[in-house]
Amino acid sequence: NAGVTQTPKFRVLKTGQSMTLLCAQDMNHEYMYWYRQDPGMGLRLIHYSVGEGTTAKGEVPDGYNVSRLKKQNFLLGLESAAPSQTSVYFCASSYSMRVGALDSREAHEQFFGPGTRLTVL
Amino acid sequence: GDSVTQMEGPVTLSEEAFLTINCTYTATGYPSLFWYVQYPGEGLQLLLKATKADDKGSNKGFEATYRKETTSFHLEKGSVQVSDSAVYFCALRRPIYNQGGKLIFGQGTELSVKP
Repeated sequence: NAGVTQTPKFRVLKTGQSMTLLCAQDMNHEYMYWYRQDPGMGLRLIHYSVGEGTTAKGEVPDGYNVSRLKKQNFLLGLESAAPSQTSVYFCASSYSMRVGALDSREAHEQFFGPGTRLTVL
Repeated sequence: GDSVTQMEGPVTLSEEAFLTINCTYTATGYPSLFWYVQYPGEGLQLLLKATKADDKGSNKGFEATYRKETTSFHLEKGSVQVSDSAVYFCALRRPIYNQGGKLIFGQGTELSVKP
């Protein structure tokens, strides 16, 4: 199993250019996430998906779009890159598990990809 | 809102020294708590976790205990090695109905171990 993979590993863009980051997982996980990592700020959630065909906004979604057409892939798009989007981007995946006697679920451990380092000039 | 605070880095230790990295959190309810480690040039790996009060997570000689009364989850290791040099992140997990069970991270603490 490759786990969670991300392409590309590095990219340099000029302001206004567009690009798509690809995340793929082979663990059949329902949940997928995109985080960005900035110095001194830990990781922050950009967008997430709870299943194929669904996406939702996280804490810092502005300037990004996502799509999840296939369960194993989660794409992050930048339509018009800005210097403020210079960051390291991490994809993660997880699954939910039933907890307790009632029909409640909890998210399991998140598995992270190796990251994409993006620089916007 | 929920938050995680870690001690500032970088932390520089000699090999075989004792390590403590402090982590405190603010959250509603009783979230699961995690320590992730990021080695240079790599992604995050789960180091250990605890899902309820008084639980102790442990792995590779690292330990952390979920202290509800002090809202803390400090990371400790009795004898660090050069190979432990990395950035360590403390995180809490929100319920699944809250943005898919997202993780809220502290800012990370860089550890450098010298031979």
